[in-house]
Amino acid sequence: KQEVTQIPAALSVPEGENLVLNCSFTDSAIYNLQWFRQDPGKGLTSLLLIQSSQREQTSGRLNASLDKSSGRSTLYIAASQPGDSATYLCAVKTGANNLFFGTGTRLTVIP
Amino acid sequence: EPEVTQTPSHQVTQMGQEVILRCVPISNHLYFYWYRQILGQKVEFLVSFYNNEISEKSEIFDDQFSVERPDGSNFTLKIRSTKLEDSAMYFCASIRGARPEAFFGQGTRLTVV
Repeated sequence: KQEVTQIPAALSVPEGENLVLNCSFTDSAIYNLQWFRQDPGKGLTSLLLIQSSQREQTSGRLNASLDKSSGRSTLYIAASQPGDSATYLCAVKTGANNLFFGTGTRLTVIP
Repeated sequence: EPEVTQTPSHQVTQMGQEVILRCVPISNHLYFYWYRQILGQKVEFLVSFYNNEISEKSEIFDDQFSVERPDGSNFTLKIRSTKLEDSAMYFCASIRGARPEAFFGQGTRLTVV
């Protein structure tokens, strides 16, 4: 069964700093990997999707990379802002028609 | 921008009662899902729905759960006899098909008392 782990569980950084969130998965036979943002008590907002054939995707200050063979993905956030404070989730899609979610990283950006 | 909408945002129900959670997926999407997140835990898959039938379901999705797409726009999750452990945030999601990106609703917080 696919297991998805995210490190660190929580991260606190000063505003303006660049940061990296990590996601690892046990079964490398994935179709795609998706990063989401979740604000407290709210839904999931899709940030980036990387297909299994891709190595990275970029959207604004966000860059996500994928190394399928080693079962890892990173989400890089440049020039962090207080508005980036949220929980970041990664999820992978395998042969089953559903997403397996990680445990999340709770990010706090201090003004 | 099109979005997945869920109603109600919060529902409180007594143990043993039936609840129906409602979702309106994005209009041209073909695949529909229900997930749940118990407070402080991972988001977990419940069921996927395609072409008017269940395509996959998890161990959580037992006989007390059912899904329906009663018309061209709504997608519902029914819990027949709620238990305390059903208290969670329930998310609906949809995927277009050609594009594999999943879009999630804002969730329904279900509290069973």
